[in-house]
Amino acid sequence: GQNIDQPTEMTATEGAIVQINCTYQTSGFNGLFWYQQHAGEAPTFLSYNVLDGLEEKGRFSSFLSRSKGYSYLLLKELQMKDSASYLCAVREHTGRRALTFGSGTRLQVQP
Amino acid sequence: SAVISQKPSRDICQRGTSLTIQCQVDSQVTMMFWYRQQPGQSLTLIATANQGSEATYESGFVIDKFPISRPNLTFSTLTVSNMSPEDSSIYLCSVEVVGYYGYTFGSGTRLTVV
Repeated sequence: GQNIDQPTEMTATEGAIVQINCTYQTSGFNGLFWYQQHAGEAPTFLSYNVLDGLEEKGRFSSFLSRSKGYSYLLLKELQMKDSASYLCAVREHTGRRALTFGSGTRLQVQP
Repeated sequence: SAVISQKPSRDICQRGTSLTIQCQVDSQVTMMFWYRQQPGQSLTLIATANQGSEATYESGFVIDKFPISRPNLTFSTLTVSNMSPEDSSIYLCSVEVVGYYGYTFGSGTRLTVV
């Protein structure tokens, strides 16, 4: 089976840095994805990791450790507009292209 | 990435009726998927839409309840059949685009069954 865990909610302050963790246990692994979803909107793609290490993209970075089944999304210089849900998703293997999503982390950025 | 047109954006339906949701993509895609998102919840995969053949359904979802068509590479429909209030949810189309490693989502269909 599959198990993808994320914290349910997090709160952070504008201008600060926040790290959202994701742990996964899946039968296979072919990539980990992070999505941002504002209330009432569709998820939008943030990052993709398939090899161990850090991927940086502006204020957002994502890290992967395959041996530990662990990833995190790092958001720097938080802005109010970053208040959203952040979804971690895993693709198990090349034969199964669909993503399996974690339950999502609702981030509230406060002034 | 790709631009997805998903219709309708919302609907209120009577129980026992059916609703067909359309997903049209403007780019070449390899895979198309249908997800459901209950209020405040994450995304659950309903099925993978296969071009020219029967969709591949996830556990808990059956073809009689959620028939899916994909007549060509860029278009798919999902029908929610014989609806009950428990089917009230957001339904999302998602695609994997050729040459792009991020999956793109349609804007979703917010369905309310009364």
